[in-house]
Amino acid sequence: NAGVTQTPKFRVLKTGQSMTLLCAQDMNHEYMYWYRQDPGMGLRLIHYSVGEGTTAKGEVPDGYNVSRLKKQNFLLGLESAAPSQTSVYFCASTAGVASGELFFGEGSRLTVL
Amino acid sequence: GQNIDQPTEMTATEGAIVQINCTYQTSGFNGLFWYQQHAGEAPTFLSYNVLDGLEEKGRFSSFLSRSKGYSYLLLKELQMKDSASYLCAVMDSNYQLIWGAGTKLIIKP
Repeated sequence: NAGVTQTPKFRVLKTGQSMTLLCAQDMNHEYMYWYRQDPGMGLRLIHYSVGEGTTAKGEVPDGYNVSRLKKQNFLLGLESAAPSQTSVYFCASTAGVASGELFFGEGSRLTVL
Repeated sequence: GQNIDQPTEMTATEGAIVQINCTYQTSGFNGLFWYQQHAGEAPTFLSYNVLDGLEEKGRFSSFLSRSKGYSYLLLKELQMKDSASYLCAVMDSNYQLIWGAGTKLIIKP
């Protein structure tokens, strides 16, 4: 009964380092999303995918890349981390856009020094 | 621009009723959602409204008025475990979710 799993849960990076966040879902969902959540702000969409092999930019895509090589996995990469990317990152999935209900992972807290 | 407004913080007493308001201005409308998020945890789905009116689900109810761009979440018989942030989100014409900053609800004994 895993649902949506994110790894790692916590990470500290130095400016300029790169890393990848992994999101895995076992619900056979087509749609997957990466959000960031910052204090005093709503969730902001970074990138999303409407199916295996597809990706699209969200509201705040700069500095991030994504890949969806397998339906169950959605990877978020930071090419050259910056302090402005310090945030909590949430992955989410849903079976269909119209159904609306998103299933979220537990979040990944990233600090960039 | 697109905008979701909700109060930053509210305080209520255990056993009481609280109403959390959400107003929105978006490019199109394909539904309004409420999520609950306990501190340090992921958001979890509470309710979905696409037509005007009240949707009741146990102690929680959600109301929508599309003509007024307004929704509220009503929590009855408040329990300490209801202390959390409540996120309002609207799905726009492109089926993208626009999120409010959330309302932190503090329950006092």
